[in-house]
Amino acid sequence: DAGVIQSPRHEVTEMGQEVTLRCKPISGHDYLFWYRQTMMRGLELLIYFNNNVPIDDSGMPEDRFSAKMPNASFSTLKIQPSEPRDSAVYFCASSPPRTGLHYEQYFGPGTRLTVT
Amino acid sequence: DQQVKQNSPSLSVQEGRISILNCDYTNSMFDYFLWYKKYPAEGPTFLISISSIKDKNEDGRFTVFLNKSAKHLSLHIVPSQPGDSAVYFCAASALEYGNKLVFGAGTILRVKS
Repeated sequence: DAGVIQSPRHEVTEMGQEVTLRCKPISGHDYLFWYRQTMMRGLELLIYFNNNVPIDDSGMPEDRFSAKMPNASFSTLKIQPSEPRDSAVYFCASSPPRTGLHYEQYFGPGTRLTVT
Repeated sequence: DQQVKQNSPSLSVQEGRISILNCDYTNSMFDYFLWYKKYPAEGPTFLISISSIKDKNEDGRFTVFLNKSAKHLSLHIVPSQPGDSAVYFCAASALEYGNKLVFGAGTILRVKS
């Protein structure tokens, strides 16, 4: 049973370039989350989707960031243009609906982005 | 505005002893709490959780305690093992906020053999 799949695992790019991060959630999960982890801010939620629809994008830092979920098995996080301060580890996570009895999100391995 | 705080950036414990990781929260709407464990170059993995209707949940060597009046929870690991060395994140959820989790900054646990 495959977990959350992210690609690429590592990305090194130059300032000003477009970066696209990809995520395949666990089959049957209808929630998908994008997080960013930095030393300064820890693990912060950027955006999340329910049934492919963006629900809350209040964590997206600025217009350079965009996320899409064209179908239930694929999502992208795009940064255009990229800047050195975007360097971080980006995690994708998925979950079934919270029932109130039990709830957890399942994380992918992350994409380490370095912008030079 | 950190709603979930882990005030200890790191903790070092001798193998076989108890590890206690602490977490404080400010939002009284939170009703479900989780601990995640993260190894380098991997994503966080779920460890244990507790609902606000309980004050203790135990799973093997791991026990989470919740003190609602103090808005404080802790994770106890007994006995600690070298393989427990990782970053531990506390997270909180509120039914009113849907499926969002709010994470603390994490505590690095080092278990010395």
